[in-house]
Amino acid sequence: QLQLQESGPGLVKPSETLSLTCTVSGGSIRSSTHYWAWIRQPPGKGLEWIGSIYYSGNTYYNASLKSRVTISVDMSENQFSLRLRSATAADTAMYYCARNEGGQYYAHFDYWGQGALVTVSS
Amino acid sequence: QSVLTQPPSASGTPGQRVAISCSGGRSNIGSNYVYWYQQLPGTAPKLLIDRNNQRPSGVPDRFSGSKSGTSASLAVSGLRAEDEADYYCAAWDDTVGGPVFGGGTKVTVL
Repeated sequence: QLQLQESGPGLVKPSETLSLTCTVSGGSIRSSTHYWAWIRQPPGKGLEWIGSIYYSGNTYYNASLKSRVTISVDMSENQFSLRLRSATAADTAMYYCARNEGGQYYAHFDYWGQGALVTVSS
Repeated sequence: QSVLTQPPSASGTPGQRVAISCSGGRSNIGSNYVYWYQQLPGTAPKLLIDRNNQRPSGVPDRFSGSKSGTSASLAVSGLRAEDEADYYCAAWDDTVGGPVFGGGTKVTVL
């Protein structure tokens, strides 16, 4: 059974970089039919897709966050990571990693991590 | 302001049928598959309906999805207490160049 697990600091200072890692177990991140995604949910609000990455390193990002986001993959560790620069209080959210079945052109997220709450505060 | 529009809330008594609408446009629902996600309190979202009307393995047939033009709908028949959750629709948007979500509908079982 595929499992995803987010890890990283739960508290980030304003203007600093938010960094999270998603470890995939029970399957390989090197999949020809899947991308791997980050999705966030501010407290009491809805879901927002941040970006997705293919095992080869090909990425696509939410245009509203693109200037601040980098998603990378580490096949040797079966992990992918999120970096969000210049964090503000508006970036406070539960951050989920998920498997993106089909990748581009599909809003199909079939496996999710349990989520990591990140608070941006001094 | 979400690209896809859902009612903020819906409710029903046990055994009733509840339907949730999701309204979009030609660049998203009108030309791409719709997906539905269920988020139980305090948990991660779970894929409930994929490719407009397909139920993943393990999803009860009480849940059904449909799509017509630029709108989609999720129906829950035989409502149960454990169906109390937030429900989100999602679709790829050709203009935005990525997946977009509805604002979510909170279903309450009275």
